[in-house]
Amino acid sequence: SYELTQPPSVSVSPGQTATIPCSGDKLEYKYVGWYQHKPGQSPVLVIYQDTKRPSGIPERFSGSNSGNTATLTISGTQAMDEADYYCQAWDRNTGLFGGGTKLTVL
Amino acid sequence: QVQLQESGPGLVKPSQTLSLTCTVSGDSISPYYWNWIRQPPGKGLEWLGYFKYTGSTSYNPSLKSRVTLSVDMSKNQFSLRLSSVTAADTAVYYCARGNRPGDNYGGDFDYWGQGALVTVSA
Repeated sequence: SYELTQPPSVSVSPGQTATIPCSGDKLEYKYVGWYQHKPGQSPVLVIYQDTKRPSGIPERFSGSNSGNTATLTISGTQAMDEADYYCQAWDRNTGLFGGGTKLTVL
Repeated sequence: QVQLQESGPGLVKPSQTLSLTCTVSGDSISPYYWNWIRQPPGKGLEWLGYFKYTGSTSYNPSLKSRVTLSVDMSKNQFSLRLSSVTAADTAVYYCARGNRPGDNYGGDFDYWGQGALVTVSA
């Protein structure tokens, strides 16, 4: 079965750039979405179809997808960006999530 | 403004059936995919399945034999039934709209409900 792999945690200093990878076999041939999930809240879509940003999502969030790795990049990371981030894709009409990455801003 | 709201019992006994309903307001069921996603305590997100507005469904293979999804277009609601539950099914259950679907692609989850905690315990 297809799997998406994320590192459990990533740390970044305020104002710096955070990168969160998501790997899967030939992932570039699938659309990847990214979700921000804060405790006690519902997940929020921050990137869809690899690189697109929904209305209302700050420009500091961007995405890419090449080869076996999709990447969420947060430029000028702020304290409010501290959250769990999940990549998501589809394989044969089955939805898949990565295991999630806890982003710590310190 | 699209809003989704889950409703249903917060406590289910082992071996029984978990039933949740998601009420959609601010938009119609068509032409979207309607998904259920859960998060067990301390764990990540798990996709359970979707009900497509045309009537077709897709389920997580690991749960396929226990999951049933349905839609009531007249009430703008869609529902989840998960049978033979165990403590491992304790989770926050979310409904979410799948938008911009394509071939073998259920879209992205652009609107989510607030989540419903369901505990499986005797």
